[in-house]
Amino acid sequence: SQQGEEDPQALSIQEGENATMNCSYKTSINNLQWYRQNSGRGLVHLILIRSNEREKHSGRLRVTLDTSKKSSSLLITASRAADTASYFCATAFYNQGGKLIFGQGTELSVKP
Amino acid sequence: NAGVTQTPKFRVLKTGQSMTLLCAQDMNHEYMYWYRQDPGMGLRLIHYSVGEGTTAKGEVPDGYNVSRLKKQNFLLGLESAAPSQTSVYFCASSSTGFFYMNTEAFFGQGTRLTVV
Repeated sequence: SQQGEEDPQALSIQEGENATMNCSYKTSINNLQWYRQNSGRGLVHLILIRSNEREKHSGRLRVTLDTSKKSSSLLITASRAADTASYFCATAFYNQGGKLIFGQGTELSVKP
Repeated sequence: NAGVTQTPKFRVLKTGQSMTLLCAQDMNHEYMYWYRQDPGMGLRLIHYSVGEGTTAKGEVPDGYNVSRLKKQNFLLGLESAAPSQTSVYFCASSSTGFFYMNTEAFFGQGTRLTVV
């Protein structure tokens, strides 16, 4: 499979702690995206990192990209109960045309 | 601005019945997609469209058909529903393709389909 693979599948932390999720992929990419899905809802775009970028920030989110290792990580700092959701990485591969392929997701639970 | 709207939100079908899921977007996007989401499987692409009048197969197209007669609408049809098609279906749209352009996908709220 060329889709992103995420690790861990599930993560449970206390409010205020940091949460780190990882994503690995197999072939060359132009960009990688992270999405959040609250229970029973559609996915919402969080952040996009280009292949020539190594790190990107958006509020409490920090995304890194290591193209040599074909991996990305999403760090949520000072987590809140409202961060409880599933997080997905997604990317498009050259030989897959214009389609976005998603990983299986990390289910994050933040306990108050 | 409604974004991406899916109808219906819930549906129960009997095996062998047919139905059509409607996706409508008001962002003038060229690309539209249908995904299904199953526990432990993430999102899998069923079919997609790169513009009005075009459709293409994704990862899991069998048992589904699609049509894009109008730019703003993307229909997903099940001709003869099977229990294996019980899933949550998501429609998404984007202004361009994802490999060459740094664009994001906008998702609908999903349709929960149960086939008994």
